[in-house]
Amino acid sequence: NAGVTQTPKFQVLKTGQSMTLQCAQDMNHNSMYWYRQDPGMGLRLIYYSASEGTTDKGEVPNGYNVSRLNKREFSLRLESAAPSQTSVYFCASSTLEGNIQYFGAGTRLSVL
Amino acid sequence: DQQVKQNSPSLSVQEGRISILNCDYTNSMFDYFLWYKKYPAEGPTFLISISSIKDKNEDGRFTVFLNKSAKHLSLHIVPSQPGDSAVYFCAASAIGWSGGGADGLTFGKGTHLIIQP
Repeated sequence: NAGVTQTPKFQVLKTGQSMTLQCAQDMNHNSMYWYRQDPGMGLRLIYYSASEGTTDKGEVPNGYNVSRLNKREFSLRLESAAPSQTSVYFCASSTLEGNIQYFGAGTRLSVL
Repeated sequence: DQQVKQNSPSLSVQEGRISILNCDYTNSMFDYFLWYKKYPAEGPTFLISISSIKDKNEDGRFTVFLNKSAKHLSLHIVPSQPGDSAVYFCAASAIGWSGGGADGLTFGKGTHLIIQP
């Protein structure tokens, strides 16, 4: 009963390094999302994919790219990490018809 | 500008009493509202939701009330239990491009609920 799985759980990067956050869901959901959460803030949408083959920008897309690899997997890439991207990143999925999103446990990223 | 506001960063309630968490929104296009519960180092967990065509939804100890004219919703937890201590996020969505599912959720900043023994 895995649900939404995110890897890695923790990561430390130096400014300018790149990395990809991985997300996979086993609920056969069509839609997938990436959010970030900063201290004292709610979650903010970075990118989403309403269905396989489509991606769209959310509220805070700058500095990120995404790939919907297949129906199960949705990755988030930081090409050149900056300290402002230090955050906790959450992946979520939902059915196309439903508004209820199910979240992974998060990736805690520090950029030094 | 914040479209979903939770004005109380924290709330302390005695075990067994009622906990009331409040949320206000500004976007009239929002038509679906959700509450998520979050423990430290975990992802948010869906708790309860309500569609804009309803004014109340109940699930066990949890009830959500929606006042559309005031653009206000609240979550009631009765009775409050120690395991309810967590951060509660209010979230909202509008009908997306598909006419069905959400493009994404807009979250409030959260309220840290502390249940005192």
